[in-house]
Amino acid sequence: NAGVMQNPRHLVRRRGQEARLRCSPMKGHSHVYWYRQLPEEGLKFMVYLQKENIIDESGMPKERFSAEFPKEGPSILRIQQVVRGDSAAYFCASSPQGMGNTIYFGEGSWLTVV
Amino acid sequence: QKEVEQDPGPLSVPEGAIVSLNCTYSNSAFQYFMWYRQYSRKGPELLMYTYSSGNKEDGRFTAQVDKSSKYISLFIRDSQPSDSATYLCAMTATGANSKLTFGKGITLSVRP
Repeated sequence: NAGVMQNPRHLVRRRGQEARLRCSPMKGHSHVYWYRQLPEEGLKFMVYLQKENIIDESGMPKERFSAEFPKEGPSILRIQQVVRGDSAAYFCASSPQGMGNTIYFGEGSWLTVV
Repeated sequence: QKEVEQDPGPLSVPEGAIVSLNCTYSNSAFQYFMWYRQYSRKGPELLMYTYSSGNKEDGRFTAQVDKSSKYISLFIRDSQPSDSATYLCAMTATGANSKLTFGKGITLSVRP
């Protein structure tokens, strides 16, 4: 896990507020993934990004969720108008090449919606 | 049918036991197979990966893949209390831009 930095580690939001989760990939990694882990569920893929490009967003909910990975700075996962069902652990992962066997995860951001 | 099924838990074993963790899958396109270990409130840690069918050993851990049966296993020898964690199998198709598909995970407890 060393190297993939996520913040905040814990975030509490009231229903209707916005949540912004940040991820800095490991040094030298240009591929970023976001996964969500709901209670009693496995990790579910949300989105895959390279610098300035969304490669695969097939796991993203159609509304309220967006992600970006700008040329400079961390990747951001943004959740607008949060609802209780958004409460989960959000994990960022990075890879140097996008290959499945070199994907490393951060420590996660725990979102609680009250 | 889910793409990846993992044996439900939890699993409790005495220290020193051999542990066998298993997953089955339905997508024949999967070529890379991984096992992650996740401690409570932490991120998944890559333990083992295997490409296609075969065995791979790393210390007390052995990963086994049987593509003909669409079945993968992780064996832990001489289990230790520090092995107590949730174990997740994951897999992906060959090639770049591959997203991981995970099993639900199984929680292992090794009793001293």
